[in-house]
Amino acid sequence: NAGVTQTPKFQVLKTGQSMTLQCAQDMNHEYMSWYRQDPGMGLRLIHYSVGAGITDQGEVPNGYNVSRSTTEDFPLRLLSAAPSQTSVYFCASSSPLDRARGYTFGSGTRLTVV
Amino acid sequence: DQQVKQNSPSLSVQEGRISILNCDYTNSMFDYFLWYKKYPAEGPTFLISISSIKDKNEDGRFTVFLNKSAKHLSLHIVPSQPGDSAVYFCAASAFTDKLIFGTGTRLQVFP
Repeated sequence: NAGVTQTPKFQVLKTGQSMTLQCAQDMNHEYMSWYRQDPGMGLRLIHYSVGAGITDQGEVPNGYNVSRSTTEDFPLRLLSAAPSQTSVYFCASSSPLDRARGYTFGSGTRLTVV
Repeated sequence: DQQVKQNSPSLSVQEGRISILNCDYTNSMFDYFLWYKKYPAEGPTFLISISSIKDKNEDGRFTVFLNKSAKHLSLHIVPSQPGDSAVYFCAASAFTDKLIFGTGTRLQVFP
């Protein structure tokens, strides 16, 4: 049981480049989310999804796109990378039937935009 | 508007003593509160949670207290151990399961 798998673990982009951060979960969780962690800012929600075909914006959605075509996958797309998007990105999943345990997180993707 | 606040960026506690981490919230619709622990270069891991219908929940050395009138919750770790040294995040959700996190408190437990 792999849980939540994120790829890549590290990435360096040039300003203006685009890329997709991959996230997959094997727990059949309906809910999935993307967070970014920055020093002094905690974990901020970028986008989330309550099921295949359904997505919504979080606190800091600008510059990011998501789609949810399957229950298992929830990729995060950076359209035109900016230095302000340098951060550690975490994907997470949960079941609405088990709210007491909250989200299971992946190990993160460390992104640097130069 | 920060809905979940952790006002202490860091806390240092001697091994064997109690660690108390605090969290305040502003949204009265929150009905689940959770604590996560995070080590460097790893994702956050679930520690303990409490429903808004309770005021206390225990799991081994960890106890979470909820004071709804004050919109305040705290995590007690007794006794503190060096392996507890990590960043602790408070989080809350309001029915939608969208988790809102605080900024975190770095706990250091020294011998």
